[in-house]
Amino acid sequence: QVQLQESGPGLVKPSQTLSLTCTVSGGSISSGGYYWTWIRQHPGKGLEWIGYIYYSGSTYYNVSLKSRVTISVDTSKNHFSLELNSMTAADTAVYYCARGPMDRKAFEIWGQGTMVSVSS
Amino acid sequence: SYELTQPPSVSVSPGQTASITCSGDKLGEKYACWYQQKPGQSPVLVMYQDTKRPSGIPERFSGSNSGNTATLTISGTQAMDEADYYCQAWDRNTYVKFGGGTKLTVL
Repeated sequence: QVQLQESGPGLVKPSQTLSLTCTVSGGSISSGGYYWTWIRQHPGKGLEWIGYIYYSGSTYYNVSLKSRVTISVDTSKNHFSLELNSMTAADTAVYYCARGPMDRKAFEIWGQGTMVSVSS
Repeated sequence: SYELTQPPSVSVSPGQTASITCSGDKLGEKYACWYQQKPGQSPVLVMYQDTKRPSGIPERFSGSNSGNTATLTISGTQAMDEADYYCQAWDRNTYVKFGGGTKLTVL
């Protein structure tokens, strides 16, 4: 059974770059046909899609975050990563990684989420 | 940009039917899916491709999508169904969109 686990700093200073990793266990990130996705949730708010990457390396990002986001895959480590630069307090949120089959157009497996706070 | 609109809250009595709507321009021409999120937990997919239930989701959950509205219906609602529900669809088949979420209260 595939599981996802986010890891990274819980606290980031304003203007710094956030780097998060989502480690895949129980399956290979190289297997085709999936969206490997990052989603965040501001405290007490709804879900916001950040972006996703295909196994081929193609990426798509939320237009509102596109200038600050990079998602990448490391097949040797079986994980994918999120980088979000120029962090501000408005980026304080729980960050989730998720996987979804492309033919289902939905995200079936989610990580537990990791809380990231932005503060000096 | 494409927007999905959900009612902020829905209330239902135990054993009754709850309907949660999600509205978007020509949403019926896209696939909609639904997630359930309980406090402190990650979202769980409860419906995909409008009407399909993932393995392990009870049969009391059903979905529909037509025109501008997708609906998640919970028949015989139980206390354990109390949660936030989010609809999701794809804009131009590429960009993921979530609705604002609906808090379902079972009382």
